[in-house]
Amino acid sequence: DTGVSQDPRHKITKRGQNVTFRCDPISEHNRLYWYRQTLGQGPEFLTYFQNEAQLEKSRLLSDRFSAERPKGSFSTLEIQRTEQGDSAMYLCASIRDSSYEQYFGPGTRLTVT
Amino acid sequence: GENVEQHPSTLSVQEGDSAVIKCTYSDSASNYFPWYKQELGKRPQLIIDIRSNVGEKKDQRIAVTLNKTAKHFSLHITETQPEDSAVYFCAASINSGNTPLVFGKGTRLSVIA
Repeated sequence: DTGVSQDPRHKITKRGQNVTFRCDPISEHNRLYWYRQTLGQGPEFLTYFQNEAQLEKSRLLSDRFSAERPKGSFSTLEIQRTEQGDSAMYLCASIRDSSYEQYFGPGTRLTVT
Repeated sequence: GENVEQHPSTLSVQEGDSAVIKCTYSDSASNYFPWYKQELGKRPQLIIDIRSNVGEKKDQRIAVTLNKTAKHFSLHITETQPEDSAVYFCAASINSGNTPLVFGKGTRLSVIA
C-alpha cells in the first residue's frame, strides 16, 4: 500500500494518560499535515512539517500537544495528560512540494474516558 | 485568518436528480479550492478541485464553479446515484495545497433510490 498510513487506528485511553500517534506519509511527499476532526465537523488544522521542519502550529495546539518529524519521513503526534475534549479523529495528510492534492490517511480515532 | 462557510448541512435528493453544495470564503488571497468526499468511517478523498485562475471545471458528473469576486464556489453533482451518498467538504488554501486547508463544516448528502 503506497498511501498514507496511520497507527493505531483506534485508541481508548483514560483521562490524564499520554498517547502517541504515528503517521507514515507517501514516500516522496515532503510536506506532512496533522488535522483533527470531531463529529459533524470538517478537519481542523493542527500543525505541519516541510521535511523535518515544523513550519506552523495552530492555536488549537495546546502545550499538551507536541509533534515531531525527526528524519523528514514519518511523524508522531503526542498528547500529554489527555482530556475528554481531546476525543476526536486525528488525520494525517501529505503532499509533495508544488503539487496540489493533499492525500489523507485513515485517521486515528481517540476516545478519552 | 481564512473562514469557510458551507451550506446546506444536509441535503436529500432523489436518485437521478442534481445536487448543489455552496461554500463561501473570507480571504481573498485563497487560490485553491478542493472538494473532498468522506464516506462513513473512511478518509477524506479529493473528488475535484479548482484553482483561482479558472471559473469552472468539470469531471464527468461532477463540476465546480468559482466566483472570485463574490468569494464563493459550488459543487454540482448531476444524475446522482446512491453511491454518491456521503459527507462532502469544501476547503480553501492560500498557496495551492502547500499550506493548511481550511475546511467547511460539511454537507451530508443522501441520495434516495
